[in-house]
Amino acid sequence: NAGVTQTPKFQVLKTGQSMTLQCAQDMNHNSMYWYRQDPGMGLRLIYYSASEGTTDKGEVPNGYNVSRLNKREFSLRLESAAPSQTSVYFCASIVGGLAYNEQFFGPGTRLTVL
Amino acid sequence: GQQLNQSPQSMFIQEGEDVSMNCTSSSIFNTWLWYKQEPGEGPVLLIALYKAGELTSNGRLTAQFGITRKDSFLNISASIPSDVGIYFCAGRMDSSYKLIFGSGTRLLVRP
Repeated sequence: NAGVTQTPKFQVLKTGQSMTLQCAQDMNHNSMYWYRQDPGMGLRLIYYSASEGTTDKGEVPNGYNVSRLNKREFSLRLESAAPSQTSVYFCASIVGGLAYNEQFFGPGTRLTVL
Repeated sequence: GQQLNQSPQSMFIQEGEDVSMNCTSSSIFNTWLWYKQEPGEGPVLLIALYKAGELTSNGRLTAQFGITRKDSFLNISASIPSDVGIYFCAGRMDSSYKLIFGSGTRLLVRP
């Protein structure tokens, strides 16, 4: 049981390049989330998927797209990377629909855009 | 967007000392959470609080859900070197599972 896994762990892009960050969970969770973490700012929600087949914008969605490929996988795509997207990206999942359950986080992807 | 004010930003303490940090908001939350993040890792849940006034412990950690529902604090007693990390508060305002995070308190412990 690996929990929440993210690939890659590190990535360097040039401005304008595109890439997809992958996230998978093996806990049969319904809801999945993408956050970005910048120094001194905590984590901010980019997009989330409350259940398979649905996605919604979070606090900072501009410049990103997401795909909930199936119940296990939730990917984050940067179509044209910008230096402002240099950050650490975390994926999280939660069972959902139950009281007293909380988000599990992946180990993060460290992205640098030059 | 919504903001949580977390303080202090950082603490450098002697092993064995007690630690206290808090989060405040201008909005009411129905859930308060405390996470710890170690270098190169994602946040790990320490304590979850669901009722105003609730006081919950997890080993040497104790957290409280403020009676006004606009604040929460976390205490760590008798700190040890492995307590080093960044501690985040997070709040949830409604029945969605979206969380709002504080900016974190960086804790360093001197052996």
